[in-house]
Amino acid sequence: GESVGLHLPTLSVQEGDNSIINCAYSNSASDYFIWYKQESGKGPQFIIDIRSNMDKRQGQRVTVLLNKTVKHLSLQIAATQPGDSAVYFCAENPGGSYIPTFGRGTSLIVHP
Amino acid sequence: DAMVIQNPRYQVTQFGKPVTLSCSQTLNHNVMYWYQQKSSQAPKLLFHYYDKDFNNEADTPDNFQSRRPNTSFCFLDIRSPGLGDAAMYLCATSWTGGETQYFGPGTRLLVL
Repeated sequence: GESVGLHLPTLSVQEGDNSIINCAYSNSASDYFIWYKQESGKGPQFIIDIRSNMDKRQGQRVTVLLNKTVKHLSLQIAATQPGDSAVYFCAENPGGSYIPTFGRGTSLIVHP
Repeated sequence: DAMVIQNPRYQVTQFGKPVTLSCSQTLNHNVMYWYQQKSSQAPKLLFHYYDKDFNNEADTPDNFQSRRPNTSFCFLDIRSPGLGDAAMYLCATSWTGGETQYFGPGTRLLVL
């Protein structure tokens, strides 16, 4: 299930399930979006990106969906594994800017 | 492998004692960033260099300074660390505008 509180929103799933992590972005001028994975004690790592001229992009086990109408971004992870446990951040780049704005982050917990 | 390296990984300092964190990159990226990240929060941009041009965020305290002597290296100087400066400090690089950032592993700073 998903919960939001004083700490990071948390999504708990069972190993093998599909995970969906959501992100609402604020700037309608943003034209480049990135998902990062941050494991405990490490720096964020690039997972997948998408430009505003696309609605969907697929990688290995991951899919990013972009809905510009409602300014919503989602990351889908297929067959979630314990190694996917981490905090996931979305980031948006307004057109012409190289300074991304990070979203709040979601903690994904995968139970074996 | 091309990468972003941060040293040290862990730094303990005393209240008010100056400390310097270092970042180096082999990616030959022209933009280097310093972020502060506290527990359960998104990275917060302190400043960045676009080539030799320094760009400070408006809300970055004067206590934080940076130097970039060449393309490969960038330093974060904290002149008088306070207890509130204890955090993970992340260095990142990118190539020109609006592209993916590559993060280092971070330096965990503890202020006693």
